[in-house]
Amino acid sequence: QKEVEQDPGPLSVPEGAIVSLNCTYSNSAFQYFMWYRQYSRKGPELLMYTYSSGNKEDGRFTAQVDKSSKYISLFIRDSQPSDSATYLCAMNKGGSEKLVFGKGTKLTVNP
Amino acid sequence: GAGVSQSPRYKVAKRGQDVALRCDPISGHVSLFWYQQALGQGPEFLTYFQNEAQLDKSGLPSDRFFAERPEGSVSTLKIQRTQQEDSAVYLCASSLGAPGANVLTFGAGSRLTVL
Repeated sequence: QKEVEQDPGPLSVPEGAIVSLNCTYSNSAFQYFMWYRQYSRKGPELLMYTYSSGNKEDGRFTAQVDKSSKYISLFIRDSQPSDSATYLCAMNKGGSEKLVFGKGTKLTVNP
Repeated sequence: GAGVSQSPRYKVAKRGQDVALRCDPISGHVSLFWYQQALGQGPEFLTYFQNEAQLDKSGLPSDRFFAERPEGSVSTLKIQRTQQEDSAVYLCASSLGAPGANVLTFGAGSRLTVL
């Protein structure tokens, strides 16, 4: 079993929909949780990061972490065609710089 | 430079050839990482440098893979005697190396195809 599990999709939604992306993990030592967005043939770019449990909001994006369930989520409100990309969850342990990534979920937002 | 620069962007190698992939990180970034991303997969950690010191190479899949960062800036990932299973995108990332959340800035990657 991988340390970080993420449903690869693909996920296809109409423009304006609310999108929910999720990851589960097995190692309770993970403390920092990130979401990266990767467009086709580009490197991943950081969207958001959170520390420990809780919510964080940035514009149309909300990240949630539930450490008790080892479950993290990214919500995208009012989704746009420009949000079409692969979304990767990533996490690292305190004191470690090594990021562990999920497989990525491919999202398509249809106009 | 403004971002992480990788070259070449695309490399086609015949099985058994040696390849070298270059990464030029963001100026002042202490930490440098190499990841391998197979088609349809997330990035998998290969190795990590802090300045010129290679602190973790646990992800290198075999002794055919070698990475260096001799002056603590530019890094090269070398793959000897390439095999078809080495075909992937090789991503380089750099960070300030500050404690806490490891915010990486990635390059666009070098796509290696081994025939």
